[in-house]
Amino acid sequence: KAGVTQTPRYLIKTRGQQVTLSCSPISGHRSVSWYQQTPGQGLQFLFEYFSETQRNKGNFPGRFSGRQFSNSRSEMNVSTLELGDSALYLCASSLDLAGTYNEQFFGPGTRLTVL
Amino acid sequence: KNEVEQSPQNLTAQEGEFITINCSYSVGISALHWLQQHPGGGIVSLFMLSSGKKKHGRLIATINIQEKHSSLHITASHPRDSAVYICAVSLYSGGGADGLTFGKGTHLIIQP
Repeated sequence: KAGVTQTPRYLIKTRGQQVTLSCSPISGHRSVSWYQQTPGQGLQFLFEYFSETQRNKGNFPGRFSGRQFSNSRSEMNVSTLELGDSALYLCASSLDLAGTYNEQFFGPGTRLTVL
Repeated sequence: KNEVEQSPQNLTAQEGEFITINCSYSVGISALHWLQQHPGGGIVSLFMLSSGKKKHGRLIATINIQEKHSSLHITASHPRDSAVYICAVSLYSGGGADGLTFGKGTHLIIQP
């Protein structure tokens, strides 16, 4: 079974631009979560999608948004990029069987550099 | 205050040594995760546990729910175990699991 895939793997943008990152979960997984990793703050939860609905959201400004499609693939968007948005963005998928919490499987990440 | 505290932050050991990494958390959780991150960024989930003890090869993870504490042990450590080990906890909010809350990680180096 293929793992979680993320595209692109590397991205360079300039301040003020916007960016869209993509995540394809493991086949059959219905939950997709997004995380940001920076040297200063470490790993932080951005948001989680399940059945095309945002179910949980971390403490990030509205410039960070996402969506999930009917095939469970997910995208996240960052508008008006700031230098501080430079980070590794990771997505993770899980089965999310009802009534239980399931292990998350991480993708390789997208490394975003904002100049 | 970080809800998940790991110790030590950095650990250098010789090949073959027994390694222990500790994790303490301050909130009620539904599960605790131990993750491994190699240079380059990819994260691998090592364990997810909510009680007791789990073992996989040379890795052992334990959790004490009452004391809000977990440990990750590596027996017969090897240079390929060199990585950052991250403790993370998940909360259960009824409608689905919240995202993970992470510790700062333990940077482990195993010297030959």
